[in-house]
Amino acid sequence: DGGITQSPKYLFRKEGQNVTLSCEQNLNHDAMYWYRQDPGQGLRLIYYSQIVNDFQKGDIAEGYSVSREKKESFPLTVTSAQKNPTAFYLCASSIRRTGTSGAYEQYFGPGTRLTVT
Amino acid sequence: AQKITQTQPGMFVQEKEAVTLDCTYDTSDQSYGLFWYKQPSSGEMIFLIYQGSYDEQNATEGRYSLNFQKARKSANLVISASQLGDSAMYFCAMREGGSSGSARQLTFGSGTQLTVLP
Repeated sequence: DGGITQSPKYLFRKEGQNVTLSCEQNLNHDAMYWYRQDPGQGLRLIYYSQIVNDFQKGDIAEGYSVSREKKESFPLTVTSAQKNPTAFYLCASSIRRTGTSGAYEQYFGPGTRLTVT
Repeated sequence: AQKITQTQPGMFVQEKEAVTLDCTYDTSDQSYGLFWYKQPSSGEMIFLIYQGSYDEQNATEGRYSLNFQKARKSANLVISASQLGDSAMYFCAMREGGSSGSARQLTFGSGTQLTVLP
């Protein structure tokens, strides 16, 4: 089945350590995204990538880094510079909907809940 | 200023009744898209419905319909015949910008927690 996988579902790290969150898709989508969600809030964009070897900062990129070496993969590294890394992280990919005026419907993975102590 | 505003932090509805979740948006773009997503307690985001700014008819997807009032900049989600499985957080989101080319980020509202009562 096609979809987006994120692993692991729960991740625990000590403060000061870098951690990399995995995101893989087999939907053949060009664009991929990383969002952060804090309790009781909506999603905020961290980074997005339109094509391989290209990515742009979102609204809250500080303390994060990404790479896009393959179309299927868009890993996110939470660095020690991120002041409040504990959050729920969602990866998404998108494709242009046919028959509409250029909508890019985003499909989401199941998310990774990161806890840093 | 908030680009997407959802003024109802929580809503309750009786099973089999209809419910409207409010969403207002702010943009100066002529071309934009509005989305609704459902987030159950498991955390995944499930796409429900989409409305393009140039679409003349309100979008419908099964029990979901979008009440699009462009002049008022509102895009309310209507769920008909609520089911217990509809209990979840619902997010309104907007994509701004033109239709050509590459990816477009979504801006999300703060969400509405819907509880369906038996």
